[in-house]
Amino acid sequence: DADVTQTPRNRITKTGKRIMLECSQTKGHDRMYWYRQDPGLGLRLIYYSFDVKDINKGEISDGYSVSRQAQAKFSLSLESAIPNQTALYFCATSDPTKGYGYTFGSGTRLTVV
Amino acid sequence: EDQVTQSPEALRLQEGESSSLNCSYTVSGLRGLFWYRQDPGKGPEFLFTLYSAGEEKEKERLKATLTKKESFLHITAPKPEDSATYLCAVQAQNTDKLIFGTGTRLQVFP
Repeated sequence: DADVTQTPRNRITKTGKRIMLECSQTKGHDRMYWYRQDPGLGLRLIYYSFDVKDINKGEISDGYSVSRQAQAKFSLSLESAIPNQTALYFCATSDPTKGYGYTFGSGTRLTVV
Repeated sequence: EDQVTQSPEALRLQEGESSSLNCSYTVSGLRGLFWYRQDPGKGPEFLFTLYSAGEEKEKERLKATLTKKESFLHITAPKPEDSATYLCAVQAQNTDKLIFGTGTRLQVFP
């Protein structure tokens, strides 16, 4: 099993719909992150969490919300999806064995039509 | 402002043709510099962490080096399976957040 699992892998949704992307990890890491990736813009931080009670906004949090249901689970929600939220979304954990670099999930490709 | 710039944006190499990718950075106190490999449609895969100027790390055909202003990823005698996008990221002191560059897309032809 993957260390960081994201569901769904692909999703097409309509403008205005609420959608949730889920992330779970088996490594027992406290720190989790949500990034989006767009061509030419690289990876940008949406939200991050240091533990269940500690949630922080990243550089592009508008239009998104998160929930840390447990140490292992960190969900990203789009309350009312819009087309410019079409992107590849990645969840990651901070890994002490990698000098606090990240272990990434396989990503969710989201298309908002 | 912490920033990472990678060059070139794209690189085409013949199999066996060695080259280097550049990552220039500005950061308010470097905690670590990271290299990742990303295949299309997949999550970035960790390669190296470098902490201080002069440090080098190697893995198979890849070697990463670090100075106070930039890092290089040297690829020796590349093979087609080395084709991927290579991402560089920096982490400042007192933070876990990684600031990513936009990557170098490497294509190696037989």
